[in-house]
Parts: sequence; structure tokens; C-alpha cells
Amino acid sequence: EPEVTQTPSHQVTQMGQEVILRCVPISNHLYFYWYRQILGQKVEFLVSFYNNEISEKSEIFDDQFSVERPDGSNFTLKIRSTKLEDSAMYFCASRWAGTGNGYTFGSGTRLTVV
Amino acid sequence: AQKITQTQPGMFVQEKEAVTLDCTYDTSDPSYGLFWYKQPSSGEMIFLIYQGSYDQQNATEGRYSLNFQKARKSANLVISASQLGDSAMYFCASPSGGGADGLTFGKGTHLIIQP
Repeated sequence: EPEVTQTPSHQVTQMGQEVILRCVPISNHLYFYWYRQILGQKVEFLVSFYNNEISEKSEIFDDQFSVERPDGSNFTLKIRSTKLEDSAMYFCASRWAGTGNGYTFGSGTRLTVV
Repeated sequence: AQKITQTQPGMFVQEKEAVTLDCTYDTSDPSYGLFWYKQPSSGEMIFLIYQGSYDQQNATEGRYSLNFQKARKSANLVISASQLGDSAMYFCASPSGGGADGLTFGKGTHLIIQP
């Protein structure tokens, strides 16, 4: 069964450093998403991406965040200058078309900012 | 849906019993969908079941079924014959209604199945 692949599974970074989280969505999917889950809390929507541009973003997705789909397969989330409160699990998800088609999630990247 | 409410932070259930996890939603959209995801302690998000607002029948997937009551705006997940491996966090979610429909999640229910 096709899956969404995220790398790395864990990343530790120093406060103020830039991090790039990588995702390979399912190849024929059209919509791509990043979500965040702070430990013990609910999953929060960050941003959606369609047709090579951002479709929606939440208030969490401020100027410190950016997304790219540089080569037609990878989908990246960049945090420019990490803060302690950016520590969370970050999930990438993708879907084909029509919301009845399930959103397939990757296994997540656990980001720890120290 | 713009808001998802899960009122059960935690539940303990005996193995082999059926369990119902509550989810209510608030939306002004005429067409919407409800999803349930399972998150085991390993952290991944596993899709369980989907219900569309215009679906005539309640959705079922193996031991999972959705008790969809549109007038009450509820979409409760029913797990029949619970197993130890069902112990996990369970999240109800719905597309936000925007163009690319990012999911809005509830706070989740931590289900523990006891032998």
C-alpha cells in the first residue's frame, strides 16, 4: 500500500537554528499538508499546498515557516529560526482529490528544540 | 467542520466489550465529512473510517462503525469486541471547509483496553 514517507524520524536542534523536515507524499496525490502535535495535545493544521502554492495556512504558520515542493516528489517544511515552543511532532499528509478520499499521514518527525 | 468536540479525555474498557467514543461537530457547511484516526503510542496516525454528510448509511469498516446522527451533529465511533491492541488515542476530525480542506481535529480520547 502506498505510504507517505517522512525523514528524519527524530531531530534535535538548538534554538535559533534552521530545520528542514522532509516528506515524500504518495505519488498521484494532489493535496499536501503539514500538521503539528505538541506532546499530549491535539493535532493542529499548519498549511495546505495545492498546484504548487499554499492554499491555506493557520495562524501558527507565521513568517518563520515555509513550504516547498522543489522537485515534484519531495515536500518540505522549513522553520527558519527554531524556538523552544516549536518542539512537537510534525506530520505530513497527502490526499488525491475529494475529501472522501482519506488523508494519508506519514509517521511523523519528532522535533526537539534545546 | 469548524469545531470538533471530544468530551471523553480517557476511557477504560474491558477487553471484548464494545466501546463508543463520542464526537460532536459544529459546521455551517451543507456538505462535510467526518474522519476518525487512531494514534497508538508509537505516534503514527492511522485512518480508521470516514462518513460523508450525504451518505445514507452509517459507515462501517470491520470492527469500526460510525453512529452518525446528523440532526444532533454527532459522529460517534463504535468499536465492537475491543482488543488489547485497540489501546490508543482516537481523534475525530473534519475538513475545515476551505479550498484545500485541512483537517480540524478534536482533542482526542485516550482509550485503554484492560484484560
